[in-house]
Amino acid sequence: AQTVTQSQPEMSVQEAETVTLSCTYDTSENNYYLFWYKQPPSRQMILVIRQEAYKQQNATENRFSVNFQKAAKSFSLKISDSQLGDTAMYFCAFMNVMGGAQKLVFGQGTRLTINP
Amino acid sequence: DAGVTQSPTHLIKTRGQQVTLRCSPKSGHDTVSWYQQALGQGPQFIFQYYEEEERQRGNFPDRFSGHQFPNYSSELNVNALLLGDSALYLCASSRGGRVTEAFFGQGTRLTVV
Repeated sequence: AQTVTQSQPEMSVQEAETVTLSCTYDTSENNYYLFWYKQPPSRQMILVIRQEAYKQQNATENRFSVNFQKAAKSFSLKISDSQLGDTAMYFCAFMNVMGGAQKLVFGQGTRLTINP
Repeated sequence: DAGVTQSPTHLIKTRGQQVTLRCSPKSGHDTVSWYQQALGQGPQFIFQYYEEEERQRGNFPDRFSGHQFPNYSSELNVNALLLGDSALYLCASSRGGRVTEAFFGQGTRLTVV
């Protein structure tokens, strides 16, 4: 079974700083997707960024970028020029591509606080 | 364009009761997945519905059941509620049975007392 581990329960940085959230996962599959979701106090899960495992290039979305190390099974999220609105729970998630229904397997989350 | 809508937003039930949670998918989406998120945890997959059928089920007992209607909306039913069923229940919709572009609702907070 796939597992996702986020080793940082909480992180806190000052506004405008850069912060990196860590995620490792375990799978025997070769083709899969990895995601970072943001969950603000409104509770709605919002997709931040997505990476397809067969793509070598790291995904980037504006201030958000990932460092995908497939051999190490590592998928970290870097937030540049952090803003107060980035304060939220961040979840790393894994999804198999092949076969049957596609389900997301989530990590435990990292609570990120951006301080003014 | 309305996104994924869930009702109710909050619910308090007594142990042993039954509850029904509802989800309307985003316009154009035909696949609904349900997740349970206990306090301080990541969401756990309950099951997924596509073409009105349950496609896959997570590690949840039979007390958890669901349904998908012809208009793609979905219900999650939980029987014989336990205190441990207290959680945020999230619905995610996507298209064509694929979840690479899943959109989540704001969830239903269920409290069992």
